[in-house]
Amino acid sequence: DAGITQSPRYKITETGRQVTLMCHQTWSHSYMFWYRQDLGHGLRLIYYSAAADITDKGEVPDGYVVSRSKTENFPLTLESATRSQTSVYFCASSATGTNIQYFGAGTRLSVL
Amino acid sequence: AQRVTQPEKLLSVFKGAPVELKCNYSYSGSPELFWYVQYSRQRLQLLLRHISRESIKGFTADLNKGETSFHLKKPFAQEEDSAMYYCALTSGGSNYKLTFGKGTLLTVNP
Repeated sequence: DAGITQSPRYKITETGRQVTLMCHQTWSHSYMFWYRQDLGHGLRLIYYSAAADITDKGEVPDGYVVSRSKTENFPLTLESATRSQTSVYFCASSATGTNIQYFGAGTRLSVL
Repeated sequence: AQRVTQPEKLLSVFKGAPVELKCNYSYSGSPELFWYVQYSRQRLQLLLRHISRESIKGFTADLNKGETSFHLKKPFAQEEDSAMYYCALTSGGSNYKLTFGKGTLLTVNP
């Protein structure tokens, strides 16, 4: 049981299309995070959430939207995909009282 | 603003040689430091955190507040240590956000 799962694992889309990346965790962790991983940039925080219905911007939020209606889900939406959003996206979660984050397997997104 | 610097993008060593992956940080308070590792085709996972002061897979890391460093060391590298290593920092307390360095790709040659 992976505990935190991302879907899809791979996605190819075209510029201007809306894309939603899913993240689901079974631990009931309060905190969830979205990162993008790019060569030469490492991992950069896009958005995070401290609890259901509480979200906040990270380092690179432009062009992305998140929601968290349920504790276990934290979808990331690219409203109008651009080529610069081609990346590997990682979701992570963390329990209250610890700063250890647990990562999903990632979604590799290509925007053509 | 907090920042994590990993000066080496690539590091190549031979099996059995010592390895040190450098990490420097800037933060005015008392941070919590981590090393995360990503093996090929696997998800990112925690390797070490400084408050645990433990050795994992033969790796150790000591927080040096004077030099603002948290270098990762292993006396005898193994081929299975080949991976991407990320140093990360959080300001601690109830702030759960991590700031990552850009990563160092370690290759251990046979």
